Amino acid sequence: DAKTTQPPSMDCAEGRAANLPCNHSTISGNEYVYWYRQIHSQGPQYIIHGLKNNETNEMASLIITEDRKSSTLILPHATLRDTAVYYCIVGALDNTDKLIFGTGTRLQVFP
Amino acid sequence: GAVVSQHPSRVICKSGTSVKIECRSLDFQATTMFWYRQFPKQSLMLMATSNEGSKATYEQGVEKDKFLINHASLTLSTLTVTSAHPEDSSFYICSASGRAWNSPLHFGNGTRLTVT
Repeated sequence: DAKTTQPPSMDCAEGRAANLPCNHSTISGNEYVYWYRQIHSQGPQYIIHGLKNNETNEMASLIITEDRKSSTLILPHATLRDTAVYYCIVGALDNTDKLIFGTGTRLQVFP
Repeated sequence: GAVVSQHPSRVICKSGTSVKIECRSLDFQATTMFWYRQFPKQSLMLMATSNEGSKATYEQGVEKDKFLINHASLTLSTLTVTSAHPEDSSFYICSASGRAWNSPLHFGNGTRLTVT
């Protein structure tokens, strides 16, 4: 079973920040938090991952709470092309462990 | 960045035939590859874990004799759907993991299988 829970859907206005929450209260000490997104009929696209520190890359920022039981993915300036299903997943450090997908959050960016 | 290529992107086959799907890691060596299946409006479901040079590990409920997985090299894994039936119609997606520590999984663009 997936170790994460996410809201099923969210809306965001174009140009605004999209904040996608994720709960992972049973995360283990050796598990990272990964975020992927899937645009219709494509494979999942890697966005970002982190262990305990906040992370930022060209796509997004990842904020992980101090107790690591939840995190938030931030798309700073959402565009229409960011409309997708966003998956938050926890997985082991050595990346040979399987990633189990939950139901994700369907983000709809509107003009 | 790391690229995973999947082929074909779409395939239509007749019931009872077999279909092979290829998953290649283009710029890294993949010690482990994963195969997922996704039905419409559902999330990805892990089918099996494929390790180079050894037998695949299948998830509960996935028939290993129906979904044959071969991972003969560090850059190629194949999934063969044998004796396909219409209920096997789905979106099949592979992902690959490299040797680098802290390297995220990268996914192929999926194969849409339609069995008529």
